[in-house]
Amino acid sequence: EAGVTQFPSHSVIEKGQTVTLRCDPISGHDNLYWYRRVMGKEIKFLLHFVKESKQDESGMPNNRFLAERTGGTYSTLKVQPAELEDSGVYFCASSQALSGSYEQYFGPGTRLTVT
Amino acid sequence: AQSVAQPEDQVNVAEGNPLTVKCTYSVSGNPYLFWYVQYPNRGLQFLLKYITGDNLVKGSYGFEAEFNKSQTSFHLKKPSALVSDSALYFCAVRIGGSYIPTFGRGTSLIVHP
Repeated sequence: EAGVTQFPSHSVIEKGQTVTLRCDPISGHDNLYWYRRVMGKEIKFLLHFVKESKQDESGMPNNRFLAERTGGTYSTLKVQPAELEDSGVYFCASSQALSGSYEQYFGPGTRLTVT
Repeated sequence: AQSVAQPEDQVNVAEGNPLTVKCTYSVSGNPYLFWYVQYPNRGLQFLLKYITGDNLVKGSYGFEAEFNKSQTSFHLKKPSALVSDSALYFCAVRIGGSYIPTFGRGTSLIVHP
């Protein structure tokens, strides 16, 4: 079974530019999550999709961040325009059921550097 | 609100020695506790979890963790460390009614040959 994949693995952009991150969840997983880890800090929740719907986007930092999940399969996270403080590692995760002791399966992350 | 503390940024241990990576938590309710590991250039991998039952939980790669309710701790342990255990370890907590875990800052484990 293929795991969660993310693209690109690294991205270096200048302040003010736009970047789009992609996440492909495990096939059949309706739930998809985005997280971010700034260097040395906690991994913080950004948002949660159930199929194509945004279930919870309370962790999105501001309106420069836009997440989509068209068709309920892969998801994209766009940052426009990027700022220096957006640098960090962006993780995607997916899971099946929400009830009980479910686990989230994480991708390798995209390391974003804004210069 | 829920929170996790990993008090050590880095843990150093010699190969073959026992290791402990500390985690304490705070939740209003019964906790679901998790440990994840991140190897270089890899994603977070699930190691083990505590939901209910036996306080000692065994997981992947010979790791185990002990849930201590009175001390609100969930320390990760391994009897004999391997150099290949060197990685970044994250503790996480959520309550049963929440689907989003709260993570700690991570602890870098370095096992010396």
